[in-house]
Amino acid sequence: GESVGLHLPTLSVQEGDNSIINCAYSNSASDYFIWYKQESGKGPQFIIDIRSNMDKRQGQRVTVLLNKTVKHLSLQIAATQPGDSAVYFCAENEGRGSTLGRLYFGRGTQLTVWP
Amino acid sequence: DAGVIQSPRHEVTEMGQEVTLRCKPISGHNSLFWYRQTMMRGLELLIYFNNNVPIDDSGMPEDRFSAKMPNASFSTLKIQPSEPRDSAVYFCASTLGGNTEAFFGQGTRLTVV
Repeated sequence: GESVGLHLPTLSVQEGDNSIINCAYSNSASDYFIWYKQESGKGPQFIIDIRSNMDKRQGQRVTVLLNKTVKHLSLQIAATQPGDSAVYFCAENEGRGSTLGRLYFGRGTQLTVWP
Repeated sequence: DAGVIQSPRHEVTEMGQEVTLRCKPISGHNSLFWYRQTMMRGLELLIYFNNNVPIDDSGMPEDRFSAKMPNASFSTLKIQPSEPRDSAVYFCASTLGGNTEAFFGQGTRLTVV
C-alpha cells in the first residue's frame, strides 16, 4: 500500500473555495484509480474513479485528473462545503490487466472546511 | 441493498481472548476484502477472496489472524489470541470484481485491553 502516497496530510479551505487534493503513485502498471471520502466513524465512501485511458473525469462538483507521465492524481472539489470535511484517500489497482479488484490505498488527506 | 454489513460495530475484549468479526457483502459481489485501519499504518489490506476462495492473505499479520468465507454472503475474520496491538478499525469491502469500486462497510472498532 505504500506505493500510493499523498503530498499533503492536511488541507484547510474556506467554504466556497475550490479544493485540490493530490496523490502520487509509483506503479506505472496501475490502470484504475479511485478517490474515497471517509467521514469520522464511517467507512470509506466512493467519490469518483478514472481509468488510465482517460486524463480527466468529472462528477458532481468533483473532478479527477490523471497525469500518467508523472504518476500523479488529483481530486478537485468545487465550491467546497462544510460537509466535504473528511479524510480523502486515493487508491490504485494492481494493474497489468488485473481483474480481481485489489486496491492499494494512500495514507489520506484530512480536508477541513472553515465557514 | 443495505450495503456491506459488518458486526459488531464495536468490540472491547481482553488480551488473550478470541475475537470474531463478521461481514455480509453486497449481494452479487464476487470479491471480498478485509482491511485494517490505524493512524500509524492507514488502510492495510489483510486478505481478499474471489468467489469465496482466498486469493491473497499476505497481508495477514500473523498466524493469530484467520479469515473464512464459507459462502458468497458471509465472511469472518478471527483473531486468536488477541493482543493490544490488534486494536484498530477493521473494514470489510466487496466489489463486483474487475476494475470496479469497492463498497465498504461501516467497520468494526476493536479495542483489546
